[in-house]
Amino acid sequence: QQQVKQSPQSLIVQKGGIPIINCAYENTAFDYFPWYQQFPGKGPALLIAIRPDVSEKKEGRFTISFNKSAKQFSLHIMDSQPGDSATYFCAATDQGGGADGLTFGKGTHLIIQP
Amino acid sequence: SQTIHQWPATLVQPVGSPLSLECTVEGTSNPNLYWYRQAAGRGLQLLFYSVGIGQISSEVPQNLSASRPQDRQFILSSKKLLLSDSGFYLCAWTSTREMVGYTFGSGTRLTVV
Repeated sequence: QQQVKQSPQSLIVQKGGIPIINCAYENTAFDYFPWYQQFPGKGPALLIAIRPDVSEKKEGRFTISFNKSAKQFSLHIMDSQPGDSATYFCAATDQGGGADGLTFGKGTHLIIQP
Repeated sequence: SQTIHQWPATLVQPVGSPLSLECTVEGTSNPNLYWYRQAAGRGLQLLFYSVGIGQISSEVPQNLSASRPQDRQFILSSKKLLLSDSGFYLCAWTSTREMVGYTFGSGTRLTVV
């Protein structure tokens, strides 16, 4: 599977700040880019996803920015809250390329300080 | 609505013992099913996936095997556990019609001692 590189590995932000997590991919066939949120001891949950035909998608306080030419996408969390503290994974897949699953980034451990 | 069940939630097993983790999906038919492992370093590693009954694809050669005896049942097994098999095991499913929106189970924390 092609790699998805995620940064930073960990991030500490004060409440109300805007944490930004970045991901870069190599495979130009990727056409679906989800973000997952995982709390300790739980399975990852789909947070928000984007397809390459748009440059930005917002759902509540979460925004994905997508740059197709640079093969990069990022997650922004507006007005961050302590409850947003979790591990975040970006992922990518080629929907027409078979059923072999998402390619995940290595995750970002986010802490929102009160 | 679709739900995914995974059990047990935690498991402590001695080295050399067998393993069987089960995952079932409700509310859908012919799902794609996946087993992932998450090591302490947070990354998610795809172990196996299945597009139908009896169809298993392995991504990583290892001490584990998977089976799909029924449409919505996915089992992860080992004949003899190794210390390195410890980790957080996650089952996931997605629709075969549109391979998006993977839904994960709640996971099994396996500790091999």
